[in-house]
Amino acid sequence: DAKTTQPTSMDCAEGRAANLPCNHSTISGNEYVYWYRQIHSQGPQYIIHGLKNNETNEMASLIITEDRKSSTLILPHATLRDTAVYYCIVRPLYDKVIFGPGTSLSVIP
Amino acid sequence: GAVVSQHPSWVICKSGTSVKIECRSLDFQATTMFWYRQFPKQSLMLMATSNEGSKATYEQGVEKDKFLINHASLTLSTLTVTSAHPEDSSFYICSARVLAGVSGANVLTFGAGSRLTVL
Repeated sequence: DAKTTQPTSMDCAEGRAANLPCNHSTISGNEYVYWYRQIHSQGPQYIIHGLKNNETNEMASLIITEDRKSSTLILPHATLRDTAVYYCIVRPLYDKVIFGPGTSLSVIP
Repeated sequence: GAVVSQHPSWVICKSGTSVKIECRSLDFQATTMFWYRQFPKQSLMLMATSNEGSKATYEQGVEKDKFLINHASLTLSTLTVTSAHPEDSSFYICSARVLAGVSGANVLTFGAGSRLTVL
C-alpha cells in the first residue's frame, strides 16, 4: 500500500517558489515525513524531514499540516538545477526507505 | 557532511560474468547500508539491507544467490552480481544511514550509483 500520494509532474518558472504537495493521510504518530530528490542519473539527495513542526534548512522548507495528513515542500527560489524527481517518504525513524514514483519537477527558464 | 563513495560508476560486462560494486562511507561509520536498483524511467527499488558483520536481509523477490552482499567492515559494503545477464542491466545505488539533527532522525546518504550494462 502506498503511504504517500504525489502529483506525477509539475512545472515551475525559474526564480519562483516551487511548492510540491504530498498527501499522507494514513500517517502514524511515530512516522516522520522525509523528502529526497534525484537529479537525472545521479543518486538521490536528502532534502529535509520533519515530524509535526514546520522545518527549514538551506535547501527548502517543509510545511506539515496540523493533522499531519499532508505536507508541502517549498523550494523558495527554484533554479534550473532543481529540476529533478522529488520523493516524499513517510516512515518511522529506523525503518527502511521505500521510494514511490515521486513528482517530476521541471524548472522552466 | 557524510559522503558515500560508490565504485565503479559504470561497468560493461559479458553475459555470464560476475561484477562487484563497492560502496564506502568516507567520513563516518555505517553499520547499516542499503542497496537499490533502478530501471529507466522507474523509481528506486530496495533490494536488500546490509548490516555490518551479519547477513544481509533481502527484499521479497530478490535472489540472494544472484546478488551477493557483503558488509565486512563499518565503512565498506559490496554487491556482487553473479552470472550477470542482460536483464540485470540497471542502475545500482547504495546508501548509508546517517544520524541527522537534534532528533537523531535517520536520513540516508546515497552513492552516485553504478550503471551496469550486460552484453
